[in-house]
Amino acid sequence: NAGVTQTPKFQVLKTGQSMTLQCAQDMNHEYMSWYRQDPGMGLRLIHYSVGAGITDQGEVPNGYNVSRSTTEDFPLRLLSAAPSQTSVYFCASSYSQGRGDPYGYTFGSGTRLTVV
Amino acid sequence: AQTVTQSQPEMSVQEAETVTLSCTYDTSENNYYLFWYKQPPSRQMILVIRQEAYKQQNATENRFSVNFQKAAKSFSLKISDSQLGDTAMYFCAFMYLSPSKLTFGKGITLSVRP
Repeated sequence: NAGVTQTPKFQVLKTGQSMTLQCAQDMNHEYMSWYRQDPGMGLRLIHYSVGAGITDQGEVPNGYNVSRSTTEDFPLRLLSAAPSQTSVYFCASSYSQGRGDPYGYTFGSGTRLTVV
Repeated sequence: AQTVTQSQPEMSVQEAETVTLSCTYDTSENNYYLFWYKQPPSRQMILVIRQEAYKQQNATENRFSVNFQKAAKSFSLKISDSQLGDTAMYFCAFMYLSPSKLTFGKGITLSVRP
């Protein structure tokens, strides 16, 4: 049982390049989210999904796209990378056990992205 | 919108002593969840403890306990018998209803001295 798997772990991009951060979970969780972590800012929500085919914006969505074609995968796309997107990115998944109780909120190990 | 405030950027404690990390939050909701996460240098996010707002009893997990004051919107973490392995960044987080969305504080760096 791998949990939440993020790839790659490290990436360097040039300004203007595009790339996709991969996130996969094998726990059949219906909920998945992407966060970015910057020094002194905590983690901030970029996009989230409550099920396959359903996504929505979080606090800092600009410059990022997501899609959720399957329960397992939730990729994050940077269309035209900018230095301001230099950050550590975390994917997370969870499920609900009645009454909206959040359970099993599991984070991936993160991707450190540098845009030069 | 909910906000989470961790006003102390850094703390230091002697090994075996007790330390309390502060967190306040702002919400107009009545039913929600609060969490403390630990992030060691490995970068992994580790759940330390969770508290359901509808429960009056403070949550405890071994050496970790919380002081949940709902009216004051305060959620502090107490670490007893501090160990060197407790050295990490600690984040307070809030969740309302949707399990997809956590709101985090800015974090506090805790150093445990030998």
